[in-house]
Amino acid sequence: GAGVSQSPRYKVAKRGQDVALRCDPISGHVSLFWYQQALGQGPEFLTYFQNEAQLDKSGLPSDRFFAERPEGSVSTLKIQRTQQEDSAVYLCASSGRQGVIGGYTFGSGTRLTVV
Amino acid sequence: GNSVTQMEGPVTLSEEAFLTINCTYTATGYPSLFWYVQYPGEGLQLLLKATKADDKGSNKGFEATYRKETTSFHLEKGSVQVSDSAVYFCALSATGGQNFVFGPGTRLSVLP
Repeated sequence: GAGVSQSPRYKVAKRGQDVALRCDPISGHVSLFWYQQALGQGPEFLTYFQNEAQLDKSGLPSDRFFAERPEGSVSTLKIQRTQQEDSAVYLCASSGRQGVIGGYTFGSGTRLTVV
Repeated sequence: GNSVTQMEGPVTLSEEAFLTINCTYTATGYPSLFWYVQYPGEGLQLLLKATKADDKGSNKGFEATYRKETTSFHLEKGSVQVSDSAVYFCALSATGGQNFVFGPGTRLSVLP
C-alpha cells in the first residue's frame, strides 16, 4: 500500500485481557519496527524485524509482550494479561533497504487504553 | 546509554515569528540525527536529517546543523506558519544502529 497501516486505530481492553495489534508495512519494505509512545512522551523502541527474522527485541518491557512477522510482511504485536501501564500508542514503522538513514515511514498508531 | 533532550513545550508563537527548538544528545561514536514531526491525528514524518558533523539538514524552511562540539541539533525556521503547529521530535540513530532514540517531543502552536 501507499503507507503503513495499523489496526485497530483504537482499542480499549479490560485489565488482564489479551490484545493483538496489527501492522501492514509498505509493500517490499524489509525492515519493520514497533515503538511504544506513552502520553506526552517520545516513542520508545520495542522490537525490530528484518523480513521474518526478529533481530532485536531488547525494548520489549516484559515477557507479556510478543511480536511476530511470520511471512516477512504483516506483523502482529501481542500483549498478554494487559496492565494499566500498557496504555499507550503503539507505532509501527517500516523502511526499505536504505534503513534508518533513508528514514522510516510510520503508521498512525494504535491507541491502547487498559481499564 | 544514548539519549536525547529537547526543550520543554509547549511553544506558542505568532505567525511569521522565528522558531528555535533546542535539542542535545548523548551518544557514543557518530550518531545520525533527525527531526520528526507529528501533525494532529497523523503518524510521525521525517522532517530532516544529518548524518555527520557540520552537516545541515533542511526541508520546508526548517534547518538544523549537526554540531558535534556541542552535541546539539537545534531546529530553526525563520518564519513559522499556522500549518507548522505540530509536535516535533528530535531523534538519533547510533552508529550502525537500526532503531531511533527519540526525545520527549516539543509541541508548537502557531497563532494567526
